[in-house]
Amino acid sequence: GNSVTQMEGPVTLSEEAFLTINCTYTATGYPSLFWYVQYPGEGLQLLLKATKADDKGSNKGFEATYRKETTSFHLEKGSVQVSDSAVYFCALTHQAGTALIFGKGTTLSVSS
Amino acid sequence: DAGVIQSPRHEVTEMGQEVTLRCKPISGHNSLFWYRQTMMRGLELLIYFNNNVPIDDSGMPEDRFSAKMPNASFSTLKIQPSEPRDSAVYFCASSPQDSGANVLTFGAGSRLTVL
Repeated sequence: GNSVTQMEGPVTLSEEAFLTINCTYTATGYPSLFWYVQYPGEGLQLLLKATKADDKGSNKGFEATYRKETTSFHLEKGSVQVSDSAVYFCALTHQAGTALIFGKGTTLSVSS
Repeated sequence: DAGVIQSPRHEVTEMGQEVTLRCKPISGHNSLFWYRQTMMRGLELLIYFNNNVPIDDSGMPEDRFSAKMPNASFSTLKIQPSEPRDSAVYFCASSPQDSGANVLTFGAGSRLTVL
């Protein structure tokens, strides 16, 4: 079946450090891939998405590239801020109107 | 737009009691999803609806859980009787069915504690 695997957290970084959160997936065909972010006490928010191979999603300095050959969608940011502290979820879906399948989430903690 | 509205935000109840969680999706969104989040299991899909019709309820843990969507602007998730292991944050999300990449908008969640 379809699944998403994320690196285990927590990830603890200093401000301005480089961030990578690994995500790999198992799916037939060509799913759409997403990163969602959850700030403390809030629901999940879409951070970025990519719908086909080699697409790069980007938002708020975060980037992720859809790699079909390695079935990966790693999240990166060149310089993290304290305000980026949150839980990050990788997810996939095959078509509109169907449910997202989420990874277990990776907690990021950034200190000043 | 007010976004996806969930109520209550917090509920504390005793084992055996009935719990009803409510969700108002974004107007015009015709897909609605219920997820449960726990530390141990992460984010699990319970059930989702398209145009008020349940499409996949395979994630509903057992018969104690039921969900309804009587109209396009309202859904409920009911647990009867509740048990301590049901303690979790329950999220409702909605999306336009024809959104292409299926972007979900989540509510703020209902935190349930069953004593």
